[in-house]
Amino acid sequence: GQSLEQPSEVTAVEGAIVQINCTYQTSGFYGLSWYQQHDGGAPTFLSYNALDGLEETGRFSSFLSRSDSYGYLLLQELQMKDSASYFCAVRSSSGNTPLVFGKGTRLSVIA
Amino acid sequence: DAGITQSPRHKVTETGTPVTLRCHQTENHRYMYWYRQDPGHGLRLIHYSYGVKDTDKGEVSDGYSVSRSKTEDFLLTLESATSSQTSVYFCAISDEAGHEQYFGPGTRLTVT
Repeated sequence: GQSLEQPSEVTAVEGAIVQINCTYQTSGFYGLSWYQQHDGGAPTFLSYNALDGLEETGRFSSFLSRSDSYGYLLLQELQMKDSASYFCAVRSSSGNTPLVFGKGTRLSVIA
Repeated sequence: DAGITQSPRHKVTETGTPVTLRCHQTENHRYMYWYRQDPGHGLRLIHYSYGVKDTDKGEVSDGYSVSRSKTEDFLLTLESATSSQTSVYFCAISDEAGHEQYFGPGTRLTVT
């Protein structure tokens, strides 16, 4: 089967840097995605890593290590609006689910 | 933003009644998905479609059926709603299978 593990909650201070980790178990791995969801809203796509290394998009970066089955989302210069839930998701060739989501990490940014 | 809408946005129904949720897209994307989201479970795939009349089951398909007769519409039906199907339902679309999906605003369904 496929499984993903990510912390359920993280708290960080405005202006700081926070890292949200994700470990996964799957066969036929294609890549790791990240989504953001504000309370009451819909998930929105943030990033995708198919190869090892760091992908940067503005204040957000995402990292993947295929050999360690591990990735993380890095948020820099945290703003209050970054308070949201963040989901990692695995795309694999196993099973019948194109994308399997983790249970999400709730990020609270405090002043 | 991707042109994707869901209807209704909120619904309260009684146990045992049939319910149909509609997802409509204007992006001409090939893939469409139905997810449910429950506290502590994240997003779980119910069914998905990879073309007109082409559908497949996801990890939580029991009690649900789908139909796609046009590229732009994907319907999710609960034949006989149960309280365990109380949830928020999201439709999503993508132009190819997998990682970059665009989500609709969601439908909050309550089965009493």
